[in-house]
Amino acid sequence: NAGVTQTPKFQVLKTGQSMTLQCAQDMNHEYMSWYRQDPGMGLRLIHYSVGAGITDQGEVPNGYNVSRSTTEDFPLRLLSAAPSQTSVYFCASSWGQGRGYGYTFGSGTRLTVV
Amino acid sequence: GEDVEQSLFLSVREGDSSVINCTYTDSSSTYLYWYKQEPGAGLQLLTYIFSNMDMKQDQRLTVLLNKKDKHLSLRIADTQTGDSAIYFCAGDLNAGNNRKLIWGLGTSLAVNP
Repeated sequence: NAGVTQTPKFQVLKTGQSMTLQCAQDMNHEYMSWYRQDPGMGLRLIHYSVGAGITDQGEVPNGYNVSRSTTEDFPLRLLSAAPSQTSVYFCASSWGQGRGYGYTFGSGTRLTVV
Repeated sequence: GEDVEQSLFLSVREGDSSVINCTYTDSSSTYLYWYKQEPGAGLQLLTYIFSNMDMKQDQRLTVLLNKKDKHLSLRIADTQTGDSAIYFCAGDLNAGNNRKLIWGLGTSLAVNP
């Protein structure tokens, strides 16, 4: 199984550009989420989804949009990139909302906004 | 609010045991997790413990939970250079119908030959 696949692995954007970070999982997981990881800040939740057609905001949603049209895919859109969005982005998925399942993480997208 | 705290760095010699500590504030966490992140990679679930347990052992890994002190630890026996990574503690917070994990900032483990 591929698990959670994120593309691209690296990206450089100019301020004001938009782009979509792709995330796909082949484990039929209901729950999917996007995190950003910054030095000294740990992991911060951007958006999450508990199933196809359902999304909700995490703790740092501003400047990002998501959609969940299928169980497999959960793309993250940067609307107008800013230097503050320079970060490593991780997509993670899990079976339902039950406890103890743990998350499966993708390998990350390293984004630099100049 | 909810918080999970970890020491930021730990250095051990190869073959020694490593103990990574974590404290948490939310007593309603039903599951507590340990994740490992190797350089340039995503996080990998190592193990978890349910809140009604005191200890869980899985090969070289031992998790201890002290609910009274809200303290969680991960012991790695016979630490190897391949164990060098960042280790994250996380608590599963009951937030109504939504699942929410509270993450520590991670402990960077350096294993010296």
